Amino acid sequence: RKEVEQDPGPFNVPEGATVAFNCTYSNSASQSFFWYRQDCRKEPKLLMSVYSSGNEDGRFTAQLNRASQYISLLIRDSKLSDSATYLCVVGDGGATNKLIFGTGTLLAVQP
Amino acid sequence: DGGITQSPKYLFRKEGQNVTLSCEQNLNHDAMYWYRQDPGQGLRLIYYSQIVNDFQKGDIAEGYSVSREKKESFPLTVTSAQKNPTAFYLCASSILGPNIQYFGAGTRLSVL
Repeated sequence: RKEVEQDPGPFNVPEGATVAFNCTYSNSASQSFFWYRQDCRKEPKLLMSVYSSGNEDGRFTAQLNRASQYISLLIRDSKLSDSATYLCVVGDGGATNKLIFGTGTLLAVQP
Repeated sequence: DGGITQSPKYLFRKEGQNVTLSCEQNLNHDAMYWYRQDPGQGLRLIYYSQIVNDFQKGDIAEGYSVSREKKESFPLTVTSAQKNPTAFYLCASSILGPNIQYFGAGTRLSVL
């Protein structure tokens, strides 16, 4: 089983749609969770951290379910500029800050 | 501007050659990391360092070497022992602890 699993997509959605991505992780000791965004041939950039209580940043909402070891990202009112690969990232639960990256979910927002 | 600078942006390696990728940060971060990304795969950790003059192997360290002589700098050498070096190499840094990592723009390495 992969340490961090994501549906690779692609998710093809029209502008204005709501889209949700899911991610599961295998290490129950993980304490830090993030969503990164990666544009084609560019470096990953932090989209948002994910907190136990859930958190929202504009059109983006992230949720964490520790019992099910499951993380989600919801994007409302999709824009063309949201087209990218979304990486689910989980801390390894150790003393060092090693992060485990999922392979990413590709989102293509269509006009 | 604060950030992480990787150079060069593109690099070509000849058979049997060692090449060095540069990574410099001015964020005053203690921890630095090197990742490799292949098409369709997630980032894989090559080496990481939490303090000057100390570093640890990641998941795929074979064929690579690093040094950490200064807090700001963490160069990666791809040695001739790395038989499949073609990839996108990303350097990152963070403060200590389970915190956000910030990435440089990456170096694309290809074999001639």
